Amino acid sequence: QSALTQPASVSGSPGQSITISCTGTSTDVGSYNYVSWYQQHPGKAPKLMIYDVSIRPSGVSDRFSGSKSGNTASLTISGLQAEDEADYHCSSYTRSNTLLFGGGTQVTVL
Amino acid sequence: EVQLLESGGGLVQPGGSLRLSCTASGFTFSTSAVSWVRQAPGKGLEWVSTISGRAGSTYYTDSVRGRFTISRDTSKNMVYLQMNSLRAEDTALYYCVKAFFYYDPLRTFDYWGQGTLVAVSS
Repeated sequence: QSALTQPASVSGSPGQSITISCTGTSTDVGSYNYVSWYQQHPGKAPKLMIYDVSIRPSGVSDRFSGSKSGNTASLTISGLQAEDEADYHCSSYTRSNTLLFGGGTQVTVL
Repeated sequence: EVQLLESGGGLVQPGGSLRLSCTASGFTFSTSAVSWVRQAPGKGLEWVSTISGRAGSTYYTDSVRGRFTISRDTSKNMVYLQMNSLRAEDTALYYCVKAFFYYDPLRTFDYWGQGTLVAVSS
């Protein structure tokens, strides 16, 4: 199975909002509300930011929000801050009882 | 505090074997699913394998099925990944990760270890 498709990079100025897309197919993103988003700072382990498309774990800023439409999920970061500069990875459960990740998106705060 | 500590990585020749270990603490290990996720240098994350809690059901990505075996020792709170017939494309940082939902082992992961590096090269 191919990885989910994410843009390689997204950038924004402090205070702005940015959106990262994650495109799959009808056998993964389109079939289940089991999309997660992970933040990864350089040299660090990933951190869960969103699960089940739009649920934030305890302790995650409400500036992070998730949504889904059809085969594409999205992560929006509002009020962009310098500390948000990181790589973001999406994942989705699939009909084959496996898990797919996206290729990752590098977020740059200008 | 949940902790996942990986070990066992190293340099191995193509066709060789390695066994990765993950020592878990800070949560109810016996009912929790644990997975291995890898990240090749400069690349994205790739799910490798998962073992469920009590039932010990196992799941593999296609590229490692038949070469890798995941197992667990509940008495030691440890998960293992036996990797055989290693290839250059298996070179990556291997993370041990905990499933958030014990009844849905592939739904999402809430805790990650720091990873152990596997390099396959002659």
